[in-house]
Amino acid sequence: DAKTTQPPSMDCAEGRAANLPCNHSTISGNEYVYWYRQIHSQGPQYIIHGLKNNETNEMASLIITEDRKSSTLILPHATLRDTAVYYCIVRVRSGTSYGKLTFGQGTILTVHP
Amino acid sequence: EPEVTQTPSHQVTQMGQEVILRCVPISNHLYFYWYRQILGQKVEFLVSFYNNEISEKSEIFDDQFSVERPDGSNFTLKIRSTKLEDSAMYFCASRGTGSTEAFFGQGTRLTVV
Repeated sequence: DAKTTQPPSMDCAEGRAANLPCNHSTISGNEYVYWYRQIHSQGPQYIIHGLKNNETNEMASLIITEDRKSSTLILPHATLRDTAVYYCIVRVRSGTSYGKLTFGQGTILTVHP
Repeated sequence: EPEVTQTPSHQVTQMGQEVILRCVPISNHLYFYWYRQILGQKVEFLVSFYNNEISEKSEIFDDQFSVERPDGSNFTLKIRSTKLEDSAMYFCASRGTGSTEAFFGQGTRLTVV
């Protein structure tokens, strides 16, 4: 699986958009970008994933650059409950890896009032 | 909303004792995983399980560890002779066929004394 680079921490004001960057310059053509988050030692929670098109769901939006070497997770209106560690993970969607996730250190997002 | 359930939430055991951590995956899921997170460190993959056999395991998952799906609903992780360094949060996850995201339980905090 391709390695990812994320800033160790970020701050965001409540109600503002939180934009979390991720670099994955060695991503290969069959690898997807996944985002998970972990709120205070709870189990990781799936947020969103994408291949090359921008994606949006009820939790967030994912913007992937045209060369696929980086992406940004956007939480459009951050709340205090969005304070968590956010993980950007790149992996193949299926096949022999059987869905194993390789977590890095992630970005600690702190949303403040 | 279906969820992965783990029991117990916290277990304290003496060094050298055997422990069994239990998980009830989401009912129609076929892929199962165990991860662990030592306090302050990354979430680490231990093992994946599919079709009643281990499909992949990490170097952490040595002979002291085993997994089992004893019936149609439970998925267990056994540590045969616990060591102090086994103290960690253990997360179970499951994934459905055709689904790419894994759903995690809330974890079992194992403390070895």
